[in-house]
Amino acid sequence: NAGVTQTPKFQVLKTGQSMTLQCAQDMNHNSMYWYRQDPGMGLRLIYYSASEGTTDKGEVPNGYNVSRLNKREFSLRLESAAPSQTSVYFCASILYGSTDTQYFGPGTRLTVL
Amino acid sequence: GIQVEQSPPDLILQEGANSTLRCNFSDSVNNLQWFHQNPWGQLINLFYIPSGTKQNGRLSATTVATERYSLLYISSSQTTDSGVYFCAVLMIYNQGGKLIFGQGTELSVKP
Repeated sequence: NAGVTQTPKFQVLKTGQSMTLQCAQDMNHNSMYWYRQDPGMGLRLIYYSASEGTTDKGEVPNGYNVSRLNKREFSLRLESAAPSQTSVYFCASILYGSTDTQYFGPGTRLTVL
Repeated sequence: GIQVEQSPPDLILQEGANSTLRCNFSDSVNNLQWFHQNPWGQLINLFYIPSGTKQNGRLSATTVATERYSLLYISSSQTTDSGVYFCAVLMIYNQGGKLIFGQGTELSVKP
């Protein structure tokens, strides 16, 4: 049981390049989330997927797209990276409707030059 | 939208000291969670506590939902307690729930 896994762990992009951050969970959770964390700040929700086949915008969705590929996987895509997207990205999942807590992946540290 | 405020923003303790961290929220919530982010960036669940009191070793948490606040107590602090402590509230939204995080309390425990 690996929990929530994210790839890659580190990435450096040039302005305008695109990339996809991958996230997978093996806990049979129904809801998955993408957050970004900037220095000195809390986590801000980018997008979330309440269940397979649904996605919704969070607080800061501009510049991102997501895909809920199946129940296990939820990817985040940057189509044209900008320096303002330099951040640490966390994926999380929860069995919504239970009393369980949200579980986080280890994070992806992204730098856009 | 709902506001989640944590205090203090920063805290420096001598090893062995006790501390209380506070989380205020502006509206009724379905649950509240406390997380610890260690110096390596890993986020770890501490408590799921929509109301009442829970204890886990040297840590305990109390949520008074009717008064919209939660407290995290750390007793006999250790250097390994250093890091950032976040509270987050779960809001029911459309078909699911989403967590709204506070800004965190950065704790530094000195030996």
